[in-house]
Amino acid sequence: DTAVSQTPKYLVTQMGNDKSIKCEQNLGHDTMYWYKQDSKKFLKIMFSYNNKELIINETVPNRFSPKSPDKAHLNLHINSLELGDSAVYFCASATGVKTQYFGPGTRLLVL
Amino acid sequence: AQTVTQSQPEMSVQEAETVTLSCTYDTSESDYYLFWYKQPPSRQMILVIRQEAYKQQNATENRFSVNFQKAAKSFSLKISDSQLGDAAMYFCAYRSVRGGSEKLVFGKGTKLTVNP
Repeated sequence: DTAVSQTPKYLVTQMGNDKSIKCEQNLGHDTMYWYKQDSKKFLKIMFSYNNKELIINETVPNRFSPKSPDKAHLNLHINSLELGDSAVYFCASATGVKTQYFGPGTRLLVL
Repeated sequence: AQTVTQSQPEMSVQEAETVTLSCTYDTSESDYYLFWYKQPPSRQMILVIRQEAYKQQNATENRFSVNFQKAAKSFSLKISDSQLGDAAMYFCAYRSVRGGSEKLVFGKGTKLTVNP
């Protein structure tokens, strides 16, 4: 069984469109994260939710809106996509300070 | 704010040999966690090894071990008996234990090539 899953794995879209990426974890963790990996492979935190409550929001444009319907799901909605949004987006989950487990990533390409 | 530095953008090693990847970090905290993650071409982020700062003993996982020097803020990864499957990007990461700061702070990564 996949521990942290993301859909879709690949997303190709035009500038200006709105898109969503979904994340689900079946590990029973209480905290979920979104990270962005840019074209130079640098990974940076975007958001963190603990039991559906936003606890980290790292200077991300407000075109990005995370939503956590329950503690097993954390979705990322992006409005008015720009070329610079092209990246790989990783979802991760953990409990407390324990190890974070990552999803397979979603490669977003904005044309 | 914490920072993590990996000074070797690329490294290479011969199969069956040993290689050490460097990582230094900057923090004012006394308790924290350090990690090495591996990212093969498949893109999946895979935990290699983890070290709690309060533990003096260096963590080991089979062929992977760390040299944790807390005073020097250094956390290097040693891979013994390198295998072709070890070829990947390796990321060093820091994690605070303070509530609300449990994010991972990553270094820029080291690309490891394993030569047959």
